[in-house]
Amino acid sequence: GAGVSQSPSNKVTEKGKDVELRCDPISGHTALYWYRQSLGQGLEFLIYFQGNSAPDKSGLPSDRFSAERTGGSVSTLTIQRTQQEDSAVYLCASSSRLAGGREETQYFGPGTRLLVL
Amino acid sequence: KQEVTQIPAALSVPEGENLVLNCSFTDSAIYNLQWFRQDPGKGLTSLLLIQSSQREQTSGRLNASLDKSSGRSTLYIAASQPGDSATYLCARGNAGNMLTFGGGTRLMVKP
Repeated sequence: GAGVSQSPSNKVTEKGKDVELRCDPISGHTALYWYRQSLGQGLEFLIYFQGNSAPDKSGLPSDRFSAERTGGSVSTLTIQRTQQEDSAVYLCASSSRLAGGREETQYFGPGTRLLVL
Repeated sequence: KQEVTQIPAALSVPEGENLVLNCSFTDSAIYNLQWFRQDPGKGLTSLLLIQSSQREQTSGRLNASLDKSSGRSTLYIAASQPGDSATYLCARGNAGNMLTFGGGTRLMVKP
């Protein structure tokens, strides 16, 4: 079946511009995660959506970052007033929940490579 | 702060060798420990997931162990092949399965 898809695959923008990154999770997966992978910081968690619950935003680095998930499916990560340090690969993952509340493995998309000039 | 450390950062071995990748983590109250593979320019592929109640998981030539008391996990790769060359990442999952990743081990298997 189809995996997690992300768009665009690459994005080049100018400092100060806003960008939107999109994630289409695997159909039926209730959990959706955004991560960021940069040279200096490795792979770090940004935000987590689970069903209709309020998202866990504890990993967002600043208030310029926000994300929403519409209809429990597609998610958009928005970065406002981009800075050069925002340059990174942004990865999305989704997973389902096993019986007993345990989480299944996360399936990752190919990522969006963001370059802020 | 939850931290995950992987040793070594890079490893080069000849084809056919058995090898062990190490992962250590602070805070033994983990929910699961996961191992991923990342190929250059690609996303992550899940290899093995060990629930906190488990001690190990096996898939083909891969075996991962978990010792919560010592805060360690190992990934054992048997009879390594050039196609195993990639970066291997371990990650600890918390209650919401939000993952904290280690820095990864870059593996090169030479023919």
